[in-house]
Amino acid sequence: AQSVTQLGSHVSVSEGALVLLRCNYSSSVPPYLFWYVQYPNQGLQLLLKYTTGATLVKGINGFEAEFKKSETSFHLTKPSAHMSDAAEYFCAVRVYNFNKFYFGSGTKLNVKP
Amino acid sequence: EAGVTQFPSHSVIEKGQTVTLRCDPISGHDNLYWYRRVMGKEIKFLLHFVKESKQDESGMPNNRFLAERTGGTYSTLKVQPAELEDSGVYFCASSQFSGYNEQFFGPGTRLTVL
Repeated sequence: AQSVTQLGSHVSVSEGALVLLRCNYSSSVPPYLFWYVQYPNQGLQLLLKYTTGATLVKGINGFEAEFKKSETSFHLTKPSAHMSDAAEYFCAVRVYNFNKFYFGSGTKLNVKP
Repeated sequence: EAGVTQFPSHSVIEKGQTVTLRCDPISGHDNLYWYRRVMGKEIKFLLHFVKESKQDESGMPNNRFLAERTGGTYSTLKVQPAELEDSGVYFCASSQFSGYNEQFFGPGTRLTVL
């Protein structure tokens, strides 16, 4: 069975500080991993995804994530937070040959001036 | 290109009433998905259409929920009769192909059952 755990429902950082949002997954087969972001009153937008190949994945808006199989993790990072990064972030896993996503419970990122 | 649209954005109904949510996928996307997020918890899969056929409806909570996609274009999700625990945000997503491709999400419909 597949599942996703996001540590921390709320994370607060200062503008310019490192952003680290944690995601651990459970999957019986090699997963495809995704991070989505939801800004207020908008749909979920894909930030980045890992399917195969390089384990460090770069996404939009300066975000990146690293797939670590041994740790079953796919943490999202950004070197320097911007006020516009304030949003809710969702980690998701998808298994090959199955179309549905399994999402974590989300992490709300607050960026302080 | 228009994204996935959902209507209404908000709906407040009494327990026992009926509500119908609508999703218009991105034009040309054969795959359409419904998800639900309850009380700030994880977003959970409800079902998947390929064109007008239900490919996977393993996430549908019970027979009070009925999803349709006539003609393989827009989809509706009807809840009849609604219960308090049905409150949440209902997301629709679409994709051109299945597999690991990105799913494009709509803004969601917030349903409140009183």
